[in-house]
Amino acid sequence: DTEVTQTPKHLVMGMTNKKSLKCEQHMGHRAMYWYKQKAKKPPELMFVYSYEKLSINESVPSRFSPECPNSSLLNLHLHALQPEDSALYLCASSLRLAGGGETQYFGPGTRLLVL
Amino acid sequence: DQQVKQNSPSLSVQEGRISILNCDYTNSMFDYFLWYKKYPAEGPTFLISISSIKDKNEDGRFTVFLNKSAKHLSLHIVPSQPGDSAVYFCAASEFSGNTPLVFGKGTRLSVIA
Repeated sequence: DTEVTQTPKHLVMGMTNKKSLKCEQHMGHRAMYWYKQKAKKPPELMFVYSYEKLSINESVPSRFSPECPNSSLLNLHLHALQPEDSALYLCASSLRLAGGGETQYFGPGTRLLVL
Repeated sequence: DQQVKQNSPSLSVQEGRISILNCDYTNSMFDYFLWYKKYPAEGPTFLISISSIKDKNEDGRFTVFLNKSAKHLSLHIVPSQPGDSAVYFCAASEFSGNTPLVFGKGTRLSVIA
């Protein structure tokens, strides 16, 4: 089983709202990732957690706040987003950090629209 | 500077024929390569990978070839089917390092019935 689940599938929010995206995997993976993907572009890495610790933050604005409550869960808290933040947000996981020949498995994504 | 390049934004192939998607990389430290398939508004699906100790890896209709000296890899799909129509991303990482995957910009494959 290589399943990564994400909720919600779709989210519409105003610029003053606070919302959270959730990601879950039960493959025993210890590395989890948030990506942002715009149409016709490759996934763009935002955050990496390794063993529940933030390992990489790719200079993401503070209106995006990641959280890894345990080894199976990854959240992305959203606050005061801008319309240009509208995108497909993807979660991925791998057994260990990419490198070491690790394959990342992606969830189905949350399509976010900021009005 | 793009470290992983997919120079063909799109490719059309007739059903039943071979699809060949190409990928070039510049970082000689990359030694693990993956191909992902992506439908619109869905997450990428892992297809096949290859490490630098091999020059070929096969999984059903999908074969990936790696030419390390040319820093080039290709994905062959044979026979191509209409359901293969999607965007294909090539990605690379350094086996020995804690580095994230580096993605190419993708190639849109259209398989025509």
